[in-house]
Amino acid sequence: AQRVTQPEKLLSVFKGAPVELKCNYSYSGSPELFWYVQYSRQRLQLLLRHISRESIKGFTADLNKGETSFHLKKPFAQEEDSAMYYCALSVDSWGKLQFGAGTQVVVTP
Amino acid sequence: NAGVTQTPKFQVLKTGQSMTLQCAQDMNHNSMYWYRQDPGMGLRLIYYSASEGTTDKGEVPNGYNVSRLNKREFSLRLESAAPSQTSVYFCASISNFEGLHGYTFGSGTRLTVV
Repeated sequence: AQRVTQPEKLLSVFKGAPVELKCNYSYSGSPELFWYVQYSRQRLQLLLRHISRESIKGFTADLNKGETSFHLKKPFAQEEDSAMYYCALSVDSWGKLQFGAGTQVVVTP
Repeated sequence: NAGVTQTPKFQVLKTGQSMTLQCAQDMNHNSMYWYRQDPGMGLRLIYYSASEGTTDKGEVPNGYNVSRLNKREFSLRLESAAPSQTSVYFCASISNFEGLHGYTFGSGTRLTVV
């Protein structure tokens, strides 16, 4: 069965420090992975998808098939990065997503 | 361009009452989804509709029914609400099956069942 694990419920970092959110997955097929973000009082929105290899708001994520990981990284955290982050795995061609439990990031000045 | 619109935003129900959560999208998307969000559990898929006229169960369908009224609208019904259905409900849509472009989410419905 597919599974997405985000081991950290809460990540507290200082402004300007690096931040890394861990995501591990289990899936027998070829994975398509995403990071979604939910800022306070806003709706969930797509942050990154691994196939695009984009850098959004300074965040990057690399798919490591050997370690079955898709960690999200940013070298210098900003206060506006405080939010809930979800890692998600596309499980079939019908667009269904398997979400992790989420990591709450708090960036303090 | 409204995107995905959900109503109501908040609702309190008594155990056993019924209600329908409404979702509409104006992006001409084929596929629509209903998720529930619970602390420590992330988002779990309740039902989805790959295209107009089709619906299928997700991970946690028990206690819910859905209707894909037309291409724009996808409603979620609770026939007899239970406290375990207290949650935040999100509707989402996507333009293609492969999910390459990511979901567009609604703003959510916060439901409390007492």
